[in-house]
Amino acid sequence: SQKIEQNSEALNIQEGKTATLTCNYTNYSPAYLQWYRQDPGRGPVFLLLIRENEKEKRKERLKVTFDTTLKQSLFHITASQPADSATYLCAGFGNEKLTFGTGTRLTIIP
Amino acid sequence: DAGVTQSPTHLIKTRGQQVTLRCSPKSGHDTVSWYQQALGQGPQFIFQYYEEEERQRGNFPDRFSGHQFPNYSSELNVNALLLGDSALYLCASSRVGAGYSPLHFGNGTRLTVT
Repeated sequence: SQKIEQNSEALNIQEGKTATLTCNYTNYSPAYLQWYRQDPGRGPVFLLLIRENEKEKRKERLKVTFDTTLKQSLFHITASQPADSATYLCAGFGNEKLTFGTGTRLTIIP
Repeated sequence: DAGVTQSPTHLIKTRGQQVTLRCSPKSGHDTVSWYQQALGQGPQFIFQYYEEEERQRGNFPDRFSGHQFPNYSSELNVNALLLGDSALYLCASSRVGAGYSPLHFGNGTRLTVT
């Protein structure tokens, strides 16, 4: 079955540095990938979408890449701030449904 | 512009009981998807409703059923509750025909089965 894997359960980054989160997909080729942010006790909030024919997308301090050869997406937050601390979810769309990974809990240390 | 609203926010039920969760989609959205999120896990797709019909379904037993009303709001019903059904249930809305439309989530219903 189609699967999304986010390698790191938790990631600690010093404030001001770039945080890089990894998402790998197996058993399917998603037409697009989405990244969401989830804060404790809240629903996920959409951040970015990247299509399979796109290499890179940017939005303010966020950047996402899509490598169909490696079957991987990288999500970068530059100039990280404590307010960026949250769980980040990767999701891939294929076979008419969106499949989520387990998320990476990011903590930005002041 | 109201986003996705879910009710109730918290619910405690006993094993074997039945529960109904409710969702109102974001204004302008016509499609509702339901997800189950266990603690420390990502959301798991239950099913999606569009035009009052179930269009897609994940790997969930028939104890999980739903409904969509003409005003696009939706209900999730779970029968014969098990302890393992304890989770955060998330409703997400989107708009058909909007291309690669992202999901707009509510803040969920926290269901505890004792």
